[in-house]
Amino acid sequence: KQEVTQIPAALSVPEGENLVLNCSFTDSAIYNLQWFRQDPGKGLTSLLLIQSSQREQTSGRLNASLDKSSGRSTLYIAASQPGDSATYLCAVPNTGGFKTIFGAGTRLFVKA
Amino acid sequence: GAVVSQHPSWVICKSGTSVKIECRSLDFQATTMFWYRQFPKQSLMLMATSNEGSKATYEQGVEKDKFLINHASLTLSTLTVTSAHPEDSSFYICSASITSGGVYEQFFGPGTRLTVL
Repeated sequence: KQEVTQIPAALSVPEGENLVLNCSFTDSAIYNLQWFRQDPGKGLTSLLLIQSSQREQTSGRLNASLDKSSGRSTLYIAASQPGDSATYLCAVPNTGGFKTIFGAGTRLFVKA
Repeated sequence: GAVVSQHPSWVICKSGTSVKIECRSLDFQATTMFWYRQFPKQSLMLMATSNEGSKATYEQGVEKDKFLINHASLTLSTLTVTSAHPEDSSFYICSASITSGGVYEQFFGPGTRLTVL
């Protein structure tokens, strides 16, 4: 059974800091790994999708890496801004059954 | 990217009534749709997997008679919460998946907030 863990559970940083969010998963038989952002009371916003054959994806100040063999992914946020404050979720769909399992998320607060 | 819509975006109902939530893939056909539930400050929990034209597959602990799922077409899945109670109050999110050229991707709807009084 796939389990997805995100560390840290919460993070508070001053504006401008570079930061790393971690995601680990127990079953490496995945199609891809996706990072989402969720603002309070809102739905999911897809940030980055890394296919299982890829090592990383970049979008603006965001960079996500994937090490499938070790079951790990990191989301790197450069030069953090108060607008980055949100909960960040990683999710992995398994190749068997296509079920997507979510981590519990990292709640990020960037102080101005 | 592909768009998935949900309707309604929020609903308030009295205890004992039934509520139907629609999930539509607007610009693509989805053979598989998923329903998730999210309680406050918690992550998304998969409730069921819905395939067009067949019965939904429910996750362990999810009552299939309480959460009725219908996937009648390749673009529409519905979740009906029957005889809703306050403990059913939650944020319900659907997603639709497509596979193209060996690439698999899920697209998520904006969610429906259900409040049962």
